[in-house]
Amino acid sequence: AQSVSQHNHHVILSEAASLELGCNYSYGGTVNLFWYVQYPGQHLQLLLKYFSGDPLVKGIKGFEAEFIKSKFSFNLRKPSVQWSDTAEYFCAVNARNNDMRFGAGTRLTVKP
Amino acid sequence: NAGVTQTPKFQVLKTGQSMTLQCAQDMNHNSMYWYRQDPGMGLRLIYYSASEGTTDKGEVPNGYNVSRLNKREFSLRLESAAPSQTSVYFCASRALTLNQPQHFGDGTRLSIL
Repeated sequence: AQSVSQHNHHVILSEAASLELGCNYSYGGTVNLFWYVQYPGQHLQLLLKYFSGDPLVKGIKGFEAEFIKSKFSFNLRKPSVQWSDTAEYFCAVNARNNDMRFGAGTRLTVKP
Repeated sequence: NAGVTQTPKFQVLKTGQSMTLQCAQDMNHNSMYWYRQDPGMGLRLIYYSASEGTTDKGEVPNGYNVSRLNKREFSLRLESAAPSQTSVYFCASRALTLNQPQHFGDGTRLSIL
């Protein structure tokens, strides 16, 4: 089965700093890739997804992610973070069946 | 539009007790999922149901059973609860197409003493 690795467990940034969160997956075939965000006390919400086409995908709230097939990576980026981006971020992978797997998550703290 | 509804929101059990967590979705989705979320471990898939009438094991199925009662409802049962099953449980659903995202419920916080 596919697996997902998120490299950073906790990232602390100041407002206006740039963000990049790493995500790697282990599956050689066609994949669908997702980033979700979980604000404190809430359920997961979709930030963006990739399934085909342009490997640079844009999501909500100024987030984007780049799919690099050769590196099995799908890193999340934002040029300038805000205090309201404080949350936990999860990368998820869905391969050839309905089995959807998540990474361990990265907790982002943005200091005002 | 309620989306994905989980009940109960909180529950405390004693070791050895049984419990069924309920999940219902009103989006006509084919696939439904149960995850548990533990600190530092992200969401781990317990069971999923690709479509009505089918269920499959995920990463951590031991100690759990599921029932896909109909297209709307997917329940998770703990037959004999153990402290290691203390967690937050999330139900999710999505349309049949694999490139569609999941929609999550608000979670059930379960504590087993």
